[in-house]
Amino acid sequence: EAGVVQSPRYKIIEKKQPVAFWCNPISGHNTLYWYRQNLGQGPELLIRYENEEAVDDSQLPKDRFSAERLKGVDSTLKIQPAELGDSAVYLCASSLGVRTEQFFGPGTRLTVL
Amino acid sequence: GQQVMQIPQYQHVQEGEDFTTYCNSSTTLSNIQWYKQRPGGHPVFLIQLVKSGEVKKQKRLTFQFGEAKKNSSLHITATQTTDVGTYFCAGRASGGYQKVTFGIGTKLQVIP
Repeated sequence: EAGVVQSPRYKIIEKKQPVAFWCNPISGHNTLYWYRQNLGQGPELLIRYENEEAVDDSQLPKDRFSAERLKGVDSTLKIQPAELGDSAVYLCASSLGVRTEQFFGPGTRLTVL
Repeated sequence: GQQVMQIPQYQHVQEGEDFTTYCNSSTTLSNIQWYKQRPGGHPVFLIQLVKSGEVKKQKRLTFQFGEAKKNSSLHITATQTTDVGTYFCAGRASGGYQKVTFGIGTKLQVIP
């Protein structure tokens, strides 16, 4: 069974440019998470979806970040415009439900110059 | 908001020594999960604890959930070089969005 797929794996952009990340969760997983992980820190939840509904986006900086999960499967996370402080690894995870284990994708390492 | 504190942040041990990392939440948790992240990798699920006072074992790893469901520990007996990585606890809040909050992690180095 395929795991969580993310693309791109690496992205380098200049500040003020837009960037988008894509995630394909494990088939059948209703819950999808986007995390940001800074170096030496734990993953920080940005948004959680239950099917296509965003049920927790309290940590998402809504002035520049947006996310969508069309048809309750794939998801995209967008930053526009990117700032230097957005440099981090963006992790996508999925699970069968909110109380079960999370399966993480390999992440997208974003560098903003 | 909910805070999950984890100590120590770094630990160097000689191969064969034991290792313990501790996790404390500012609020009561519905469950706690533990993950391991190898250098350059992504977090991988180890275990989930749900019940007050629960103890689970996986070979050389022992996981405990406190009676008040606010703290947890991971103990590794006789560390091996394959244990190298960062261990994270992730606490799930018992109400509201049931938000999951990760600790800062404990980075384990095992000296051969």
